[in-house]
Amino acid sequence: DIQMTQSPSSLSASVGDRVTITCQASQDISNYLNWYQQKPGKAPKLLIYDASNLETGVPSRFSGSGSGTDFTFTISSLQPEDIATYYCQQHDNVPLTFGGGTKVEIK
Amino acid sequence: EVQLLESGGGLVQPGGSLRLSCAASGFTFSRYDMSWVRQAPGKGLEWVSAISGSGGSTYYADSVKGRFTIYRDNYKNTLYLQMNSLRAEDTAVYYCAKDRRYCSSTSCYSLAEYFQHWGQGTLVTVSS
Repeated sequence: DIQMTQSPSSLSASVGDRVTITCQASQDISNYLNWYQQKPGKAPKLLIYDASNLETGVPSRFSGSGSGTDFTFTISSLQPEDIATYYCQQHDNVPLTFGGGTKVEIK
Repeated sequence: EVQLLESGGGLVQPGGSLRLSCAASGFTFSRYDMSWVRQAPGKGLEWVSAISGSGGSTYYADSVKGRFTIYRDNYKNTLYLQMNSLRAEDTAVYYCAKDRRYCSSTSCYSLAEYFQHWGQGTLVTVSS
């Protein structure tokens, strides 16, 4: 199985800050990497697919990059509504696997 | 508007069975691969199972293989997850999720890889 390691597991930042989350795959997954946002008590929401493609309707302050084993998710200017847990997910191989999540809080 | 509505969760004893349903609307159900994803209380997301739009291909996580069965009724626009031999570690909110890719005559897939739409989830608690 492909292991997905996210870091940090949590972070606290101020409104307007640039926030970066990393996700490392245990083997090469090309660009088969998605990012999700999950707010408390809600279902996850797809934000980025195939490493860098913004899902329709998602604000442009969210972005993703990377390929192979190392990926980055960025919020260019943190907003109060971005408080959530973010997950990466690989879809190169079955079983599909998620990272452990990064909880983003406002400082 | 795409809607996915799970039902069937509840409290069940270890070793028991439960069938989850996911009623879909707002899209051509048979043209989309579907998945089940679960989340144990306070934990992260875990992919459980997937099924192609036709129902002809199915996939399972090792943790549920042989105990869970995914299937669908494209006439009723409903996805199912039959769960047998339930264990305490199966306790979770179970979400159904729809792939973002449409199966057309020229491009078709079998495994939901992009979870574009999710239901609200249904809680399964396995406890004596």
